[in-house]
Amino acid sequence: GNSVTQMEGPVTLSEEAFLTINCTYTATGYPSLFWYVQYPGEGLQLLLKATKADDKGSNKGFEATYRKETTSFHLEKGSVQVSDSAVYFCALTPYNQGGKLIFGQGTELSVKP
Amino acid sequence: KAGVTQTPRYLIKTRGQQVTLSCSPISGHRSVSWYQQTPGQGLQFLFEYFSETQRNKGNFPGRFSGRQFSNSRSEMNVSTLELGDSALYLCASRPLEGNSPLHFGNGTRLTVT
Repeated sequence: GNSVTQMEGPVTLSEEAFLTINCTYTATGYPSLFWYVQYPGEGLQLLLKATKADDKGSNKGFEATYRKETTSFHLEKGSVQVSDSAVYFCALTPYNQGGKLIFGQGTELSVKP
Repeated sequence: KAGVTQTPRYLIKTRGQQVTLSCSPISGHRSVSWYQQTPGQGLQFLFEYFSETQRNKGNFPGRFSGRQFSNSRSEMNVSTLELGDSALYLCASRPLEGNSPLHFGNGTRLTVT
């Protein structure tokens, strides 16, 4: 079946530190991959996406590359800010099922000044 | 463009009652999906509607149902509420073109007592 596994949190970093949140997936066919972010009391916001192997999604300094050979989609940012504190979710959409997202368990990030 | 709107924002119900949640998608978006978010189970897909028809369904009991109207607005209903139904219910919409991602509302927080 389809599933997403991401590193457990919480992750605590100092401002300007390098961020990596690991995400691996299991899927049949060719899923699309996403990172969503959730701020306290809010819904999910799309951070970035990649729809095929070797695609790199990027937004607001965050990046992730769709690696089919390692079934991974790790999230990275070179220099985090306090405002990046949130919960980050890795997710996939099975091929041709665009309305159905399968999520990882979420990783809480806390950035200290 | 207005985002996905969910009403009400908060609900408190008693076990055994039923509840209806409402979702207005982004203008022009024709697909609406629903998700349940709990601390224990994380984010789980409930169902997706397009053109007033259910396209896809998650693994939830029949007490959870939904519908979509001709203007793409959607409602979900939960009958015979159980304590375990307490959750944040998120609605998301997309245009249904290619691999367009889901856009989420801020959710309805349901508490069952």
